[in-house]
Order: sequence, then structure tokens, then C-alpha cells
Amino acid sequence: GNSVTQMEGPVTLSEEAFLTINCTYTATGYPSLFWYVQYPGEGLQLLLKATKADDKGSNKGFEATYRKETTSFHLEKGSVQVSDSAVYFCALGRIQGAQKLVFGQGTRLTINP
Amino acid sequence: KAGVTQTPRYLIKTRGQQVTLSCSPISGHRSVSWYQQTPGQGLQFLFEYFSETQRNKGNFPGRFSGRQFSNSRSEMNVSTLELGDSALYLCASSQPGLGSGTLMKYNEQFFGPGTRLTVL
Repeated sequence: GNSVTQMEGPVTLSEEAFLTINCTYTATGYPSLFWYVQYPGEGLQLLLKATKADDKGSNKGFEATYRKETTSFHLEKGSVQVSDSAVYFCALGRIQGAQKLVFGQGTRLTINP
Repeated sequence: KAGVTQTPRYLIKTRGQQVTLSCSPISGHRSVSWYQQTPGQGLQFLFEYFSETQRNKGNFPGRFSGRQFSNSRSEMNVSTLELGDSALYLCASSQPGLGSGTLMKYNEQFFGPGTRLTVL
């Protein structure tokens, strides 16, 4: 079936550290891949996306590359800030022709000053 | 452009009751999807509505139902509430994914702030 596995959290880093959150997926067909972020008390915001293999999504210093050979979409940022503290979700979309998302379990990120 | 709005933001009910949650999509968006978020199960897809018709459904019991109105606003209903229904219910709107299969154009979903339902 279609599923997403994310690196287990929580993750705690110091400001300006390098961030990687691992995400691997299992899917039929040609899914699109997404990273969403959820701040406390809020809904989900799209952080970045990639719609086909080898695409790189980027936004606000975050990057992720759609790797079909390793079925991965790891999230990276070179220098994190306290304001990046949130829960991050990796997700599959466009699954079997459906307008729906399949999410990973989420990774809680805390950045200490 | 106003974002997705959900009402109410918080709700407390008791077991056995029923509840209706409302979602107003972004103007011009015709597809509305609902998701349930719990600490144990994470984010799970409930259903998607387009043109007042349920187009896709997740793996939830029949107690969970929804509908969409001609103005694209959507409601979801949960009957005979159970303790395990306590969750954050998120609504997302988008332009519909037109086409089918691998040719379907997937459109980004924009999420509302959610309705926090507590069942006592």
C-alpha cells in the first residue's frame, strides 16, 4: 500500500545547526511528495513540494529532493533558527488518482537558542 | 484572499452524542478534504468532496459522514461519539485534481486551523 515513514522524534538542535529529517515512502504510481509544517495551535502549512523524480523543492532555506531510486524525500536546512521549532510532516499526494494526502507520523523539532 | 475557515475551533461533547463541524474553503476552491489528527494514529484522510459529491473516502466507520453544499462549503458529522473520536479535525481545500490516474493534475491542499473535538 501507500505509506510514509519519517525519522522518529523528537529532534532537539541548537540554533545554526544543520538539520536533516529523513523520510522514505512506499507508493504505487507516480506520487507527488510534500513537506508540511505545523506550528502549535495551527493547521498545516505547505513547506515545499516535488512532483517528479529528481525534482528539488525548496522554501525558507529548507530543501528536499525526490529520489525515486531510494524512495526518499529527506528534509534539510543548513542553519536552523528558533522559529523553525514545529512539527514536520512528510506526505504523499496524487495517489491512485485521488486528491488526498498520506502523511508520515510527524517529527517534532525543537531549536534551542 | 481569506484562508480556509473552520468552525467551531473547540468543541466538547459526551459519548453517544453527535457533532457537526463546518469548513469554508478558499474562494474558488471546489474540492474539500477532511483529515483526523490524533497522537496515536497521526493524520488520516477521512473523505474528499467535489461538486457536492463524495469522491474519495478513507478507512473510517459509517459514523463519520460529510456533505458539500453548492457554494463548496462542507460539513462533517460524527454520530454516536466515542472517546477515541477525540481529535483535531482538519479541513483542506484545493482546486480539484482533474483527469485520472497518472495523468491527474494534483493541486495543493490548503489547510484550515482545525476543530479540536474532545469527547468525555
